Amino acid sequence: GESVGLHLPTLSVQEGDNSIINCAYSNSASDYFIWYKQESGKGPQFIIDIRSNMDKRQGQRVTVLLNKTVKHLSLQIAATQPGDSAVYFCAEASGNTPLVFGKGTRLSVIA
Amino acid sequence: DAGVIQSPRHEVTEMGQEVTLRCKPISGHNSLFWYRQTMMRGLELLIYFNNNVPIDDSGMPEDRFSAKMPNASFSTLKIQPSEPRDSAVYFCASSPTPDSGDIFGEGSWLTVV
Repeated sequence: GESVGLHLPTLSVQEGDNSIINCAYSNSASDYFIWYKQESGKGPQFIIDIRSNMDKRQGQRVTVLLNKTVKHLSLQIAATQPGDSAVYFCAEASGNTPLVFGKGTRLSVIA
Repeated sequence: DAGVIQSPRHEVTEMGQEVTLRCKPISGHNSLFWYRQTMMRGLELLIYFNNNVPIDDSGMPEDRFSAKMPNASFSTLKIQPSEPRDSAVYFCASSPTPDSGDIFGEGSWLTVV
């Protein structure tokens, strides 16, 4: 069946460096994508979203890139900080159906 | 807005007991979702409602699980009888429409012993 998956289950980066978290999706009909951040003991928190008519969207220190040709989504975090340590999930939706979540990538920031 | 509110935050119960988890969605959100999160299976959608009507409950693991949404501001997820393998974090989320960004509550951490 179609699913959302992640290339890297864990990622360690030095404080101040940029982080890139990747996500592959297989449903070519997906037209809406979201990145969530989940800190320990908390619920997933919406970070940034992008629709399929765009290939890039920027937020505060975060950028989401969408490559529909290869069905790839990435989250870039600039100047990674210790507070960025968390599990990051990508999620996709198509039509009027609920989000489908990936398994998550754990980001560890080394001070 | 206070966000999605869930209760209880933590519950420890004995196997066989009934568990009721509660959720108050964000006012004005028409869609409500119940998720379960475990280390093994990740985040799983159990059921979702749109305008208080259950739309898809295919994620509900067994008949022991049931969910209701009697009005736009309240939903429950019930497990009866509970089993140790039900131990997980249960999240409620709401959104304006089924395919828009879900806003999650802080979760209910359930341990069945």
